[in-house]
Parts: sequence; structure tokens; C-alpha cells
Amino acid sequence: QVQLQQSGPGLVKPSQTLSLTCAISGDSVSSNSATWNWVRQSPSRGLEWLGRTYYRSKWYYDYAVSVKSRITVNPDTSKNQFSLQLNSVTPEDTAVYYCARQNSGWDSWGQGTLVTVSS
Amino acid sequence: EIVLTQSPDFQSVTPKEKVTITCRASQSIGSSLHWYQQKPDQSPKLLIKYASQSFSGVPSRFSGSGSGTDFTLTINSLEAEDAATYYCQQSSNLPFTFGPGTKVDIK
Repeated sequence: QVQLQQSGPGLVKPSQTLSLTCAISGDSVSSNSATWNWVRQSPSRGLEWLGRTYYRSKWYYDYAVSVKSRITVNPDTSKNQFSLQLNSVTPEDTAVYYCARQNSGWDSWGQGTLVTVSS
Repeated sequence: EIVLTQSPDFQSVTPKEKVTITCRASQSIGSSLHWYQQKPDQSPKLLIKYASQSFSGVPSRFSGSGSGTDFTLTINSLEAEDAATYYCQQSSNLPFTFGPGTKVDIK
């Protein structure tokens, strides 16, 4: 059974970088069938897909246009995890952030991390 | 971007009643439509993948149908534990998008 464990700070100052990590157990970040995603949820925006990475002989990355200039999703094969970095955050980036695996449906989700952007 | 709309926004239902939630896509997405259940302070949980395929371990009272632009999630004989918000999501085109959710409350 796949489990995703999120870690990272819950409070980030405006203009700084939001960084979260999602540790994978029960699967590999280098899987040839899964993709690894970040999603956030807020009352104003609902559930919003942010980006993903996946491996198909090489690494691929896709990002939502709304955050494309500020986001990086990176795999870490040595630790079997992937990360989210969101630069230049504002209070509008306050949300619960989830990592999720897509493998014929989005079948595994992290526990969620409430990130508040505030000074 | 594909926009998903759901109806109703809210439904208050008595136990054992049947619940039907609809999801409409702004353009055809084939069968690339998934349904999730989310309870307060929990992560979304996959119920139905690709419009009608039940996910492992999900009770048989949950079923899905539809293709193209119109989809339905049905909960037969609602149980108290089914009180939650239900979301549809499309994985046909990037960016992946979610519906706004339907909150199901137990009377």
C-alpha cells in the first residue's frame, strides 16, 4: 500500500519560498506508471492542481499556468521523495497543500499541510 | 482550461435515501473523470476512476456513469458515514481541474 508523508513549515513570510516534501513508501518516485502531483485547497480557490513530475525514461515536469513562473517540483531518487517549491509567496498562497500519486486515478494522497503566508 | 460544474451544491439526505450528484465538463473529456470523497480535516479519497470504475475497497453503494461532458455519481442507500463533500476531477487535459464540490449532509 502506497503512503505519502508530507513535511515542511506551516508558516511562510510574504515574498519568501514555500518548501514542502512528500516522502513515498510502497512505490518509487521513478515509477514508469505513476505521476507525482501537488494540489492545494483553499476556500477561495477550491482544489487547485499545481504541478507534477514523472519518469518515462527521462524526467518530465508540468505546471499550472497560474504558478508556472514561481513553482518547481523536483524528484529526489536517493530519498524516494519529491518536493514543491513556490517562490515569492503572498497571502493568496495560504492553503492546505497536498501531494498525490496518479496511477489510474489519484489513489494516494498525503495528509495535507496547512501553509499560512503571513509576516 | 476545462471547467467542471457540479450540481447540486448541497444536499441534505435521510439515511437509506439515494443520492445523485452530477458533474458537467466544459468540453468533452471522454471517460477521464474521477470522483473523490472528502471529510472535514481529511485528504480527498478516490471513489470512482475513469467515470465508472470503482476503486478498490470502496463500498458497492457508490457508482459512477457518464462520458463526454456529463457524468453522475450515485450513492445507493446512503449511510451516516457518507456525510462529506464530493468532488469530480478531470485528467483529460492539463491543467487538471476539479469541480467546486457537493456537500452531502445527513438529516
